[in-house]
Amino acid sequence: NAGVTQTPKFQVLKTGQSMTLQCAQDMNHEYMSWYRQDPGMGLRLIHYSVGAGITDQGEVPNGYNVSRSTTEDFPLRLLSAAPSQTSVYFCASRRTSGRPDTQYFGPGTRLTVL
Amino acid sequence: AQSVTQPDIHITVSEGASLELRCNYSYGATPYLFWYVQSPGQGLQLLLKYFSGDTLVQGIKGFEAEFKRSQSSFNLRKPSVHWSDAAEYFCAVGGATGANNLFFGTGTRLTVIP
Repeated sequence: NAGVTQTPKFQVLKTGQSMTLQCAQDMNHEYMSWYRQDPGMGLRLIHYSVGAGITDQGEVPNGYNVSRSTTEDFPLRLLSAAPSQTSVYFCASRRTSGRPDTQYFGPGTRLTVL
Repeated sequence: AQSVTQPDIHITVSEGASLELRCNYSYGATPYLFWYVQSPGQGLQLLLKYFSGDTLVQGIKGFEAEFKRSQSSFNLRKPSVHWSDAAEYFCAVGGATGANNLFFGTGTRLTVIP
């Protein structure tokens, strides 16, 4: 049982490039989410999903896309990277969207956009 | 709108001393409250959570927190701090509505001195 896994751990992009951050969980969790963490700002919700085929926007969705074709995977796509997207990205999952139960976090992806 | 305030950006305590980290929340309904800890370069780990019932909750690593509805607070405490407790601590609030997304405070960094 690997929990929540994220790849890559580190990434450097140039402005305008696109990329996908991968997130997978093997706990059969219904709910998955993406956060970004910036100094002095805590964690802010980018997008979330309450089940396969269902996604919605969080607090800071601009510049990011998500999809949920399977229960296990929830990739985050940066369409055209900007320096303001330099951040640490965390994926999280929990068993159900029906109540705010324990969320399990991945180890994070540190992204630098030059 | 929901929000979480952690008024202390950085706290320094001596090893063996007691610790209290403050958390105030704003939420329109019954709040579900969490404390997470993040060690350097790591993801977030749940310390404890409050859903209902006894307002004093016990968590892992000897931490406890007390829910005070009248003060909209959920402060984290530990009677005797260990050097390994040095980390960043995040308070989060969620609720039993919608997708029950978690909203995080900006975090408190704890330094432990010998």
